[in-house]
Order: sequence, then structure tokens, then C-alpha cells
Amino acid sequence: DIQMTQSPSSLSASVGDRVTITCRASQYIGNFLSWYQEKPGKAPKALIYAASTLQSGVPSRFSGSGSGTDFTLTISSLQPEDFANYFCQQTYSAPITFGQGTRLEIK
Amino acid sequence: QLQLQESGPGLVKPSETLSLTCSVSGGSISSSGYFWGWIRQPPGKGLEWIASMYFSGTTHYNPSLKSRLTISVDTSKNQVSLNVRFVTAADTAVYYCARSRGFPNWFDSWGQGNLVTVSS
Repeated sequence: DIQMTQSPSSLSASVGDRVTITCRASQYIGNFLSWYQEKPGKAPKALIYAASTLQSGVPSRFSGSGSGTDFTLTISSLQPEDFANYFCQQTYSAPITFGQGTRLEIK
Repeated sequence: QLQLQESGPGLVKPSETLSLTCSVSGGSISSSGYFWGWIRQPPGKGLEWIASMYFSGTTHYNPSLKSRLTISVDTSKNQVSLNVRFVTAADTAVYYCARSRGFPNWFDSWGQGNLVTVSS
């Protein structure tokens, strides 16, 4: 199985900050990397697919980059609604695997 | 707008079978190219993909769970179901259903999740 290592596991930031979350794959996955946002009691929401493609309706302050084994999710200017959990996912090969998640908290 | 809603028991006894159903509205479970999957998240842990299925019968299972799983689709009810046999406390989790375009692929729509606790 491909292991996805996400960091940091938690992050404190303020509204307006620029934050970056990283995800590293244990082997080459090309650009088969997606990012999701999760809030308690709500359905997870896809933000980015194919490493850098913004899902329809997702604000442009979210961006993704990387290929191969190293990937990043960047939020350019944090908004109050962005405080949530974020996780990455690889779909290069089955079984599909996820990162352990990053909890983004208000400082 | 596509909506997915999981349903199932909140509590299951060890060694029993966990049965979950995902009801799909705002779209057809028979839509060409779409797989319907299950993912779970144990308390305090990361997400784990469980299984995915195409309406015509193609299935994919996580090898770590495969021996205990059955995923199925009921096109007449627009539902996808999951059975997990011989559950233990390690199966305690929030269970999500989700849709992907093809397999393996990212999930573009998710349900809100159903918490299942395995306990006697």
C-alpha cells in the first residue's frame, strides 16, 4: 500500500494568514493526489484533484501543487470558514489511501 | 444536486454483521462511469477506504478488509449497501459513502457519515 504522510498534524493560524499543508507519498504517485476539507457533522468536501486542479465552486484562495511524491495545499488568506480538518488522498493505485489529516485551528 | 445519506445502526455487538445503506438522491446510481464507495474514519484516526462498486457489478475491496466485506447496489432503490462481518471494536468508526468518477479516483460527493460503535 502507498503510505501518505501529512504534516503538520495540527496548525494554529489567524484570519488572513497564508498556510501550507504538505503531503508526502511513500512512492511515486504522479499527480494522482486530491485534497479534502472536513468539518464536524458535515460531508467532506473535495477541494483539489489531480494535485492542482481546483474543484468547481472552491474559492481561488485554495491551491495545490506538487507531483511525484511531494505535494502541498496552500490557503493564501485564511477565512473564518476555513478552520477545519484537511486531508490528502492518493488514487494512483489501489488500495486508495489517505493522509492522517491536518487540524487547522484559530490562533 | 446530488445528495448521499448513510443509514445504519449506531451500535453493533462484537462478532455480528454491520449493515449500512447509502441512499442517493438528485442523481442515478446507474450513471455511466461513476463508482460508489465506502470510507471510514475511526475515532482520532485517519480515513480508510473500504470498498467501491460500479452499478453493473464491478467491485473493488481494500485487501485488509476484503474477507469480511460485501458491497452491493440496488438500482431500483438507488442505494448502495455495505456489510461488514465479524465486527470488532476496531470497526468502530464514522462510515461515509461517496462517489467517484471511475476507479481509483477522487471522491466528488460524500455523505455526512454514520457513526457506528461496536460494543457489547
